[in-house]
Amino acid sequence: KNEVEQSPQNLTAQEGEFITINCSYSVGISALHWLQQHPGGGIVSLFMLSSGKKKHGRLIATINIQEKHSSLHITASHPRDSAVYICDLRSILMRFGAGTRLTVKP
Amino acid sequence: GAGVSQTPSNKVTEKGKYVELRCDPISGHTALYWYRQSLGQGPEFLIYFQGTGAADDSGLPNDRFFAVRPEGSVSTLKIQRTERGDSAVYLCASSLSGGLDTGELFFGEGSRLTVL
Repeated sequence: KNEVEQSPQNLTAQEGEFITINCSYSVGISALHWLQQHPGGGIVSLFMLSSGKKKHGRLIATINIQEKHSSLHITASHPRDSAVYICDLRSILMRFGAGTRLTVKP
Repeated sequence: GAGVSQTPSNKVTEKGKYVELRCDPISGHTALYWYRQSLGQGPEFLIYFQGTGAADDSGLPNDRFFAVRPEGSVSTLKIQRTERGDSAVYLCASSLSGGLDTGELFFGEGSRLTVL
């Protein structure tokens, strides 16, 4: 069993839709990052979470440490949100999810 | 520089050759990470430096891979006797501090290695 699982692997949405990307993990962590990787390959850090919820613009990230689960939500999705979203665990062993490829169509 | 710089951006080599990839982190960042990303997959952790020392090298796939950070800033990832399976984008990231509650990661653009 993978230590980190993301779902869905691929997601296509229409502009304006509400999007949820999930990350489940099996190891103990102290924090979790959500990363965004654009088609050109550059990676940017969106959030670092250790508990609760964070919001930045149209992006919302939540984490439940007890349930070992985090979600990334995008409200009013836009084509420029099209990217791969990666869940990055901060633990003694650093692990990434395989990513969720999001395509938002106009 | 303003961001994490990686060189070369592209490297094509032949099987069996030796390759060095360089990462210049953001000035003052003590933590430096190397990852490898194959096509269609998420990044795979290789090694993490805190200052000059490798705090965790558990991700290095075998003894052909080695990384150094002699002065606690620039790091070099060294691959000996390259194999076709080593072809990937090698990503470097740095953060202000390391440890379990590390802060924001800043990634370089990556070095794309192709082994023919």
